[in-house]
Parts: sequence; C-alpha cells; structure tokens
Amino acid sequence: EVQLLESGGGLVQPGGSLRLSCAASGFIFSGYAMTWVRQAPGKGLDWVSAITGSGGSTYYTDSVKGRFTISRDNSENMLYLEMNSLRAEDTAIYYCAKSTTVTVDAFDIWGRGTMVTVSS
Amino acid sequence: QSVLTQPPSVSGAPGQRVTISCTGSSSNIGTPYDVHWYQQLPGTAPKFLIYANNNRPSGVPDRFSGSKSGTSASLAITGLQAEDEAVYYCQSYDSSLSAWVFGGGTKLTVL
Repeated sequence: EVQLLESGGGLVQPGGSLRLSCAASGFIFSGYAMTWVRQAPGKGLDWVSAITGSGGSTYYTDSVKGRFTISRDNSENMLYLEMNSLRAEDTAIYYCAKSTTVTVDAFDIWGRGTMVTVSS
Repeated sequence: QSVLTQPPSVSGAPGQRVTISCTGSSSNIGTPYDVHWYQQLPGTAPKFLIYANNNRPSGVPDRFSGSKSGTSASLAITGLQAEDEAVYYCQSYDSSLSAWVFGGGTKLTVL
C-alpha cells in the first residue's frame, strides 16, 4: 500500500526551528517528486515547497524562501522540511504529498499531516 | 488571495448536477499547464480527484469530471450524493510566480 506518514510537528516559539519528516512506503521513492503543502486553521491549501525525484532541484513559495529547506534521502525513503525563523503565520497542518511524476505535477498521494503551532 | 479564483460555496440537492469553476490567467490555466482537482472531506487530508484537466484516477466515480477552456477550468459532479459534501480545490502551476498554486477552495453543500 502506498503510504506517507508525517512527523515532527509541535509547538514552537516565534523565531524557533522545527524539522518535519515524511516516511514513504509502497512505491519507488526516487521515481517521484515530492512536495509539502500546508493548511492554516480554517483556511485553504497553500503550496510550500517541492523537490524532484533525484533531489537535484528544489522549489519554494516566496514566503518561506531563505527560511525553509526541503531535502530527501532516497536510500531511506524519507522527505524532510527544515523550518527556521518560524513566524505565527507558519502555523498550519503540514502535509507531504507525492507527485505523479519525477518532476512536480499533480499530487496523488497525501499523508495525514502534522500540526505546527508557532506561538509564545 | 489566490491567483486561481473559485466560488466560496455551491449547493445542490441529491441527484442533481453541480459545477465548480476555477478562473485563472494566461500565466497559469491559460498556458499549457494542466489543472488538477482535489476533494477534502471534513477533518481529512485532500484526496486526488481529477488530473490533467479531465482525467480520473482509478477509483474515482465517473460522476466526477473536469474540463478546461481558455483561462478557466470546471469540475462537474452529477448525481449528487450526501458523501460528496466536502471542500474542492483546483491546482495548477503559475509561471509568473514560479510556483504551484491552489484555488481558494469551494465548499459543496448537499441539501
């Protein structure tokens, strides 16, 4: 069964850091791009970052550039999101999702999400 | 404010047909970039519903269909059922932003 399982969320103070992880199973991980999408409480979906299957190309939404870093370990089937200088507006459920191809396209498999709360 | 505009809400009675629009511009939908659709049931993660404008992943009922014309796309749901009550999102790529973008979401209420 194709599955994604996020972890690493929690409560962090403004300016703090957090590292999210996403464990993938049931598919050839290196064959697909991966992405992080977030959803603030009561709001819509917001694309955050993406990485190609090889890890050679990474992409970020403007509001997180310079603060967040996406990476992957294809030997361990893991996706990561390193988040620094966190702000209150980063508070959201963070979903990892699998692209339908080795490059970023549609997102066919989603994890259940992990909640990140930035508050003092 | 998303670059893809969806109506905040639509409604229909069981058995009826509803459509949800997704309006963009020449830098996203009006380009060769595809439009995809997702369904989010209350309290759950989004589910892949339509890809590349008008294709259904396996397991999605043929009551769901998509279309794209010019700078707009639409999701149609026929034979409405109570379990279709959810929020629906369109998604594409925007070349001006160099980013993947979602519409604001449309809440479907089955009356």
